[in-house]
Amino acid sequence: LAKTTQPISMDSYEGQEVNITCSHNNIATNDYITWYQQFPSQGPRFIIQGYKTKVTNEVASLFIPADRKSSTLSLPRVSLSDTAVYYCLVVLGVGTDKLIFGTGTRLQVFP
Amino acid sequence: GAVVSQHPSWVICKSGTSVKIECRSLDFQATTMFWYRQFPKQSLMLMATSNEGSKATYEQGVEKDKFLINHASLTLSTLTVTSAHPEDSSFYICSARASYPGELFFGEGSRLTVL
Repeated sequence: LAKTTQPISMDSYEGQEVNITCSHNNIATNDYITWYQQFPSQGPRFIIQGYKTKVTNEVASLFIPADRKSSTLSLPRVSLSDTAVYYCLVVLGVGTDKLIFGTGTRLQVFP
Repeated sequence: GAVVSQHPSWVICKSGTSVKIECRSLDFQATTMFWYRQFPKQSLMLMATSNEGSKATYEQGVEKDKFLINHASLTLSTLTVTSAHPEDSSFYICSARASYPGELFFGEGSRLTVL
């Protein structure tokens, strides 16, 4: 499983766009990039998953360059409720088996 | 959407006792469930993979006799922390998927405090 590297923490203010970048230099051809969100004392929640280029859903966008060695989770106009830890994972195939979590990025949104 | 429920959400026990945590898939059958442990300010650490009707597969460094996992039905997996000690105090989270491929759904977590 490819190792991921992401910033330990980030700060933002309400209404701003937040971009969290994740490096995964050893990503394999069949690997997908998946992001989860975790609030304190809760289980992780799936945000978005992609293979290449750009994926967008009602919550976030995921940008993946052509070499796929990194990815950027974009959260538009964050609010206080977006304060959470965001995990970038590289997984084999869509809906894969066990997930190995990295350190995650602790996002703090200020009013 | 699919729901995975854990019970209890929190438990306090005395050192030396055993504690059972349940993980249920409420609206789907889960052939595979996963158990994670998370210490404060740390990431989730995979403990074991639980397969319905067969023995669990433990990750390296996880004591199988300490953390007993039973997946007797397609909707229920249990994690029993045997002879719990204060260092076992942690947040335990399960996840489940119905089949491969399929999204993994996480439970709300169970906080164990051993006095």
